[in-house]
Amino acid sequence: SQTIHQWPATLVQPVGSPLSLECTVEGTSNPNLYWYRQAAGRGLQLLFYSIGIDQISSEVPQNLSASRPQDRQFILSSKKLLLSDSGFYLCAWSRAGGRWNTEAFFGQGTRLTVV
Amino acid sequence: SQQGEEDPQALSIQEGENATMNCSYKTSINNLQWYRQNSGRGLVHLILIRSNEREKHSGRLRVTLDTSKKSSSLLITASRAADTASYFCAPSRGSEKLVFGKGMKLTVNP
Repeated sequence: SQTIHQWPATLVQPVGSPLSLECTVEGTSNPNLYWYRQAAGRGLQLLFYSIGIDQISSEVPQNLSASRPQDRQFILSSKKLLLSDSGFYLCAWSRAGGRWNTEAFFGQGTRLTVV
Repeated sequence: SQQGEEDPQALSIQEGENATMNCSYKTSINNLQWYRQNSGRGLVHLILIRSNEREKHSGRLRVTLDTSKKSSSLLITASRAADTASYFCAPSRGSEKLVFGKGMKLTVNP
């Protein structure tokens, strides 16, 4: 069976510090990978989308970057955090290929507070 | 990609009542998915309905799709306190990234 791991669960970081959130998927190969951010009481904002290694699309220009060093590993980074980077970050994966989107599976999320 | 708009944005009902939430979108789609998010957790997939389907059931969930009106509805029958969550729809035209709207917050009072 497939599983998705996202860590850490919570994080408090000072403004200007770097960030690294990690997400790994097990039990599948070549997944589509996603990073979303959810501000308090708001909807999900798609940040990055990847259909393969070295194939990452950025949806919103911002202070963040994403990398996919391995097929099933997706990392969200920042060199210098801003207060506005606070939020709930969610990693997700879906099966690749086919004409239509399929079910997405989400990690448990990381609550980031920038102080 | 496109996002759906859920309506109403918030709904409060009593346990045992039915809850209906709607999703509207703007362009043609291949399928539409509904997800649930409990507070502080990741989203959980509920149901996927394809554009050639009009209705789909899963337990106490009933989803309808009207492609002519570009809308979908999610009905939760005999609601329970555990159904309290935010619900999101995700319309999709193809194998593109999934985009979500603001969601609808459902509160089921015991």
